[in-house]
Amino acid sequence: DARVTQTPRHKVTEMGQEVTMRCQPILGHNTVFWYRQTMMQGLELLAYFRNRAPLDDSGMPKDRFSAEMPDATLATLKIQPSEPRDSAVYFCASGPDTQVNQPQHFGDGTRLSIL
Amino acid sequence: QKEVEQNSGPLSVPEGAIASLNCTYSDRGSQSFFWYRQYSGKSPELIMFIYSNGDKEDGRFTAQLNKASQYVSLLIRDSQPSDSATYLCAVKRSGGYNKLIFGAGTRLAVHP
Repeated sequence: DARVTQTPRHKVTEMGQEVTMRCQPILGHNTVFWYRQTMMQGLELLAYFRNRAPLDDSGMPKDRFSAEMPDATLATLKIQPSEPRDSAVYFCASGPDTQVNQPQHFGDGTRLSIL
Repeated sequence: QKEVEQNSGPLSVPEGAIASLNCTYSDRGSQSFFWYRQYSGKSPELIMFIYSNGDKEDGRFTAQLNKASQYVSLLIRDSQPSDSATYLCAVKRSGGYNKLIFGAGTRLAVHP
């Protein structure tokens, strides 16, 4: 079964530290999405890419968050410096090309705790 | 008003009953509609998608779409305790790329 792979699965770190989360999309999928999920806000879209190009990162706090896709098999989400309010589950999802009504598939998520 | 609205629940149904989950959306031009199931501590998992008015059935699940009224629903027949989870409705807007807008989810509890 093809799946989206995220690392690390869990991360606990102190406020002010840099956090990097990684995602390997399903082979052949050319759209990649980063979401953040909290109890209060639900599932929020942070950024998404098509063919490695960022299309929309309006959901992302620009001063501390950055998202990149250095190649077709790797997407990264960085937080620097991290703050306690960044504690959440971060999901990566990928999907095939955008012109058809195809669903996104989610990775298992990175559970981030900032102390 | 949120773009995609769901009742947060919990929706409690007895085992064997039909669970009915509803979702409304604000963008009249929305094209595709997805239902994801999320167990506690797990990632969202796709159950069904629908893009034409009417019903679409897959096993115990039926998705219903009414674009004129801007709502989509998910029926789960013969509900099982293993169906207990949060169900997320997601809508693909008109135009643009494969960007989904998610509702906050409805928590379903199926009791024996």
